[in-house]
Amino acid sequence: GENVEQHPSTLSVQEGDSAVIKCTYSDSASNYFPWYKQELGKRPQLIIDIRSNVGEKKDQRIAVTLNKTAKHFSLHITETQPEDSAVYFCAAISGNNRLAFGKGNQVVVIP
Amino acid sequence: DGGITQSPKYLFRKEGQNVTLSCEQNLNHDAMYWYRQDPGQGLRLIYYSQIVNDFQKGDIAEGYSVSREKKESFPLTVTSAQKNPTAFYLCASRGRALTGELFFGEGSRLTVL
Repeated sequence: GENVEQHPSTLSVQEGDSAVIKCTYSDSASNYFPWYKQELGKRPQLIIDIRSNVGEKKDQRIAVTLNKTAKHFSLHITETQPEDSAVYFCAAISGNNRLAFGKGNQVVVIP
Repeated sequence: DGGITQSPKYLFRKEGQNVTLSCEQNLNHDAMYWYRQDPGQGLRLIYYSQIVNDFQKGDIAEGYSVSREKKESFPLTVTSAQKNPTAFYLCASRGRALTGELFFGEGSRLTVL
């Protein structure tokens, strides 16, 4: 099945700086790559996603890039704010409709 | 309001007892999932179901069982065979499209005493 690796496990950034989280996946047939944000004590919520026919997608301060050849995708957060502090999960879906998640990345934005 | 509801939110169980976690959705979604979340382990797939009366094992299915008798409901039973059941359990659902968003319930925290 699909295996998703996520790095780094913890990331601390100064407020206003950028944060980048990288993920790799193993199944070349995977075609959908969402990113979820989970605040402490709350459910994960989708913040951005990208499909395999697109290389980059932006939504305000958040962007995701996909390199299908290298089988990796990244989340970019610009002008970080304290409310960006959370755990971020990347995921990939393979042909059998299974959604596999990475282990998560704790992002801490230092005011 | 449309959404996905899990119950109970907190549950305590004695060793050797089975317990069932409820998951109901009114989003008319075909696919439903159960994930287990442990600190530092991310979200690990227990079972998933793509249609009624059908389900598949995920990566950590041992000690768990599910049923999908109705489209709206996907209950998870944690059996006494699960060696380390204390965890946070998340149910989720998706629409028909393979690239549809996964919606999560608020989760159920199970503690074995």
